Amino acid sequence: AQTVTQSQPEMSVQEAETVTLSCTYDTSESNYYLFWYKQPPSRQMILVIRQEAYKQQNATENRFSVNFQKAAKSFSLKISDSQLGDTAMYFCAFLYNNNDMRFGAGTRLTVKP
Amino acid sequence: GAGVSQSPSNKVTEKGKDVELRCDPISGHTALYWYRQSLGQGLEFLIYFQGNSAPDKSGLPSDRFSAERTGGSVSTLTIQRTQQEDSAVYLCASSLGGRTGYTFGSGTRLTVV
Repeated sequence: AQTVTQSQPEMSVQEAETVTLSCTYDTSESNYYLFWYKQPPSRQMILVIRQEAYKQQNATENRFSVNFQKAAKSFSLKISDSQLGDTAMYFCAFLYNNNDMRFGAGTRLTVKP
Repeated sequence: GAGVSQSPSNKVTEKGKDVELRCDPISGHTALYWYRQSLGQGLEFLIYFQGNSAPDKSGLPSDRFSAERTGGSVSTLTIQRTQQEDSAVYLCASSLGGRTGYTFGSGTRLTVV
């Protein structure tokens, strides 16, 4: 069974600084997809970044980037130049097939002014 | 539509009553998913619809829960004889193919009193 673990229930960072959120997963599959979602107080889950397991290059979306270590089954999210609007719950997710996306328990990130 | 629409946004019901939650996916998205998010928790998979195929109901927690998707578009999640432990946010998502990620609605917050 695929599992996703986020070991940091809460984190905080000063505005304009960099923060890294951790995620590990467990799978015996070789081809899969990984995602980070952001959930602000509005409750809507917003896709932040996506990584294909067979691609070695780490995905980047503006201030968001990942450190994908396939052998270690690690998929951390780095947020650079943190902004107040980044305050939210962040969920790491693993997709093995089209209908089986598993989510971690989430990390609550607070960006302080 | 432009996004995934869920209604109602909030629902308070008495224990023992039946409730219906509605999800209107993005037009053209063939896959539709329901998840449950209990307070401060991650997302729990409930059910998945793909086109005209039989739905994957493996995540439904009890036979009080059921869902249907009419005409390959709008979906309704029904909870019969609601219990207090059913209180949660129910999130709906749709996708063209899971590999591109899911698009979520803003959810329905269900409170059973």
